[in-house]
Amino acid sequence: QVQLVESGGGVVQPGGSLRLSCAASGFTFSRYSMHWVRQAPGKGLEWVAFIRYDGTDKYYADSVRGRFTISRDNSRNALFLQMSSLRPEDSAMYFCAKDDDGHRGIEYWGQGTLVTVSP
Amino acid sequence: DIQMTQSPSTLSASVGDRVTITCRASQSADNWLAWHQQKLGGAPKLLIYKASTLQSGVPSRFSGSGSGTEFTLTISSLQPDDFATYYCQQYKLYPYTFGQGTKLEIK
Repeated sequence: QVQLVESGGGVVQPGGSLRLSCAASGFTFSRYSMHWVRQAPGKGLEWVAFIRYDGTDKYYADSVRGRFTISRDNSRNALFLQMSSLRPEDSAMYFCAKDDDGHRGIEYWGQGTLVTVSP
Repeated sequence: DIQMTQSPSTLSASVGDRVTITCRASQSADNWLAWHQQKLGGAPKLLIYKASTLQSGVPSRFSGSGSGTEFTLTISSLQPDDFATYYCQQYKLYPYTFGQGTKLEIK
């Protein structure tokens, strides 16, 4: 079964950096595109970033473009989100999600890792 | 960007009720529309994709319809496990966008 396990969240000061990881298992990771989606406390879902299965295409939300970088290591079945110049409004649960590269779009979600940006 | 607007934001209903949630897109999403369910403190779960196709394992009391700019999610007979927040999401264009969510509460 598909498993997505995020890690790397924590408390960071404004202006700081953090790197999130997502360990994938239960499917052939190198064949599927991936996303990061976040959810601020008590708020709705916000799509953050996408990376194609082979890393050739990357897309970002306007709110994070230029500050966040999505990447992957297919040899390690791992997805990453490098976050820099963090702001209090970046505080959220960050979910890793698998795309089906077909008609389903976002198909599976991880449990999330919490990022808090606070002085 | 395609803006997604759900209504209502909160819905109070009883076990056995039939409920409908509406999602409107600011421009056509064709049928690239998904519905996700999120229980309190949990991860979202895909229920419906391509506007009307049920994800494997999802009970048949859930159904979706619509295309273009107007979509609906219907639960034919509410069960206790269905009380959760529901999000529509378009995946026609990047950035992918979600509705603000509809919280389904027990009346």
